[in-house]
Amino acid sequence: GEDVEQSLFLSVREGDSSVINCTYTDSSSTYLYWYKQEPGAGLQLLTYIFSNMDMKQDQRLTVLLNKKDKHLSLRIADTQTGDSAIYFCAESWSAGNNRKLIWGLGTSLAVNP
Amino acid sequence: NAGVTQTPKFQVLKTGQSMTLQCAQDMNHNSMYWYRQDPGMGLRLIYYSASEGTTDKGEVPNGYNVSRLNKREFSLRLESAAPSQTSVYFCASTIGQGAEQYFGPGTRLTVT
Repeated sequence: GEDVEQSLFLSVREGDSSVINCTYTDSSSTYLYWYKQEPGAGLQLLTYIFSNMDMKQDQRLTVLLNKKDKHLSLRIADTQTGDSAIYFCAESWSAGNNRKLIWGLGTSLAVNP
Repeated sequence: NAGVTQTPKFQVLKTGQSMTLQCAQDMNHNSMYWYRQDPGMGLRLIYYSASEGTTDKGEVPNGYNVSRLNKREFSLRLESAAPSQTSVYFCASTIGQGAEQYFGPGTRLTVT
């Protein structure tokens, strides 16, 4: 079945690295996405990785993809209080002509000073 | 580019009242979506429109109707609001299904 799973909460200290994990089920996913939702706001696309890549780095963000284990992670280096938000993982799922995004429930990241 | 806009930002309704949530995008996207977000339940898809002139049910369509007015606009209607429809509603659009989605700022709806 289609499912994306994430842990619901993560708490880190300011300056530490945060690692948010996600597992997905569709081995044929083409893209995997990370979105950020700040309090009271909509979701914002943070980064994405194509399924034929193992890693993608973008400033403080590193995305790692383990296709064998269907595991995706988002590492935020030098986490700041402004990184406190909910982070959603989503996979691009397709079956024939039917294509959609499958969403995780989101991981709430709390950054403590 | 304004991206995806939604109106209103906040709304309080009494049980049984009706209202329409408006969404518009200026990115020439083909597909548009309505989600609701409730604590601990993530995003749940209400309805979507793969292209102008088509609409389809998502996971939780009961109590809602939609209209894809044109390529830019996709509205969500609550005919007879119920307290269970208290939620934050997000509209999103994408160039094609399965591609990254762009979200509006949300409408916070309370039904008393």
